[in-house]
Amino acid sequence: EAGVAQSPRYKIIEKRQSVAFWCNPISGHATLYWYQQILGQGPKLLIQFQNNGVVDDSQLPKDRFSAERLKGVDSTLKIQPAKLEDSAVYLCASSPLQYEQYFGPGTRLTVT
Amino acid sequence: AQTVTQSQPEMSVQEAETVTLSCTYDTSESNYYLFWYKQPPSRQMILVIRQEAYKQQNATENRFSVNFQKAAKSFSLKISDSQLGDTAMYFCAFTKGSSNTGKLIFGQGTTLQVKP
Repeated sequence: EAGVAQSPRYKIIEKRQSVAFWCNPISGHATLYWYQQILGQGPKLLIQFQNNGVVDDSQLPKDRFSAERLKGVDSTLKIQPAKLEDSAVYLCASSPLQYEQYFGPGTRLTVT
Repeated sequence: AQTVTQSQPEMSVQEAETVTLSCTYDTSESNYYLFWYKQPPSRQMILVIRQEAYKQQNATENRFSVNFQKAAKSFSLKISDSQLGDTAMYFCAFTKGSSNTGKLIFGQGTTLQVKP
């Protein structure tokens, strides 16, 4: 079974630029999550989708972050414009049930 | 609001020995799940073990076991016969069992180094 795929794996941008991350969950997984993991900290949920509907986006900085899940499968997370404090690893996870989350390899973003 | 605290930023253990990682949490929920996740260097996070709050029996997965103390809100991970491949960052995590979200709340992590 293929795992959660994410791209790109690494991205370096300058502040005020925009960036987008892509996630392809495990086939058949209805729930998809985006987490932000700042260096030295545990991941923090940004947004959760159930199929293509948003379940929780309470911690998503909506003035600069946006996310969508097309046709309930792939998802993209966008940051525009980026700030220095957005430097982090962005993790995508998917789940067939509520409590078994499978994580992708993450995208490491560096904002200079 | 729920919180998860891991008070040991770094730990080390000799290969083949046993190590225990600590985790405490705070919640007013009566129904919830607790997890330990492992994040090896530059590799993706994987689930190590899961505990349902309503189960009194401590979960066990091969060399990994937990000590779940519900009244004390403590959830420690014991790794027996440590192997070099156990070197990783370990995260304790919580999710509300009665909620539809399944959102994981993570602790700060403990970096474990297994020494040969």
